[in-house]
Amino acid sequence: DVKVTQSSRYLVKRTGEKVFLECVQDMDHENMFWYRQDPGLGLRLIYFSYDVKMKEKGDIPEGYSVSREKKERFSLILESASTNQTSMYLCASSPLSVLWGYFGPGTRLTVL
Amino acid sequence: TQLLEQSPQFLSIQEGENLTVYCNSSSVFSSLQWYRQEPGEGPVLLVTVVTGGEVKKLKRLTFQFGDARKDSSLHITAAQPGDTGLYLCAGVGGYGQNFVFGPGTRLSVLP
Repeated sequence: DVKVTQSSRYLVKRTGEKVFLECVQDMDHENMFWYRQDPGLGLRLIYFSYDVKMKEKGDIPEGYSVSREKKERFSLILESASTNQTSMYLCASSPLSVLWGYFGPGTRLTVL
Repeated sequence: TQLLEQSPQFLSIQEGENLTVYCNSSSVFSSLQWYRQEPGEGPVLLVTVVTGGEVKKLKRLTFQFGDARKDSSLHITAAQPGDTGLYLCAGVGGYGQNFVFGPGTRLSVLP
């Protein structure tokens, strides 16, 4: 079975802090994705990566950056967390030929 | 921009009832996926449909892709409390260039 793990299930940070969310997949997938999920807005794509050191902006990249130094690991970085970044963050991975993903359990981030 | 709409937004039914949820768009999709998400967890892929008119069955769940590949439905027979969750549809654009999610249908099955 595909396994996608995320470093934290719950995280509480203060405004202005730098936040790292990590995602690891064990299926040698080329594609990895970061989404955020908010009530009434559904899932929105922040960034995705189709290869090591490659990244593409999604629909809402502002305020976020990403890093993919190894194939199995994709990190989402909030340089200076703000309260409007309080959300559920979901990582997903998929083989190169498909865009639909296998999701991790999510990280619920609260920024105070 | 390709958009997916889902209806109903919320559905609360008694155990044993049947139900259908819908996923609609004005755009054509090369494939469409259905996920179920339980509270506090990530979405879990249930099925992928790729051919217009395709019907797939997963135990008590029946998925259909519209002939024109613009819509899909999910029918659950004899719903059980374990079916409770958020059902999301997602589609891959006609040329495989983008992937969009619908807003979801929140299903509650009461014992």
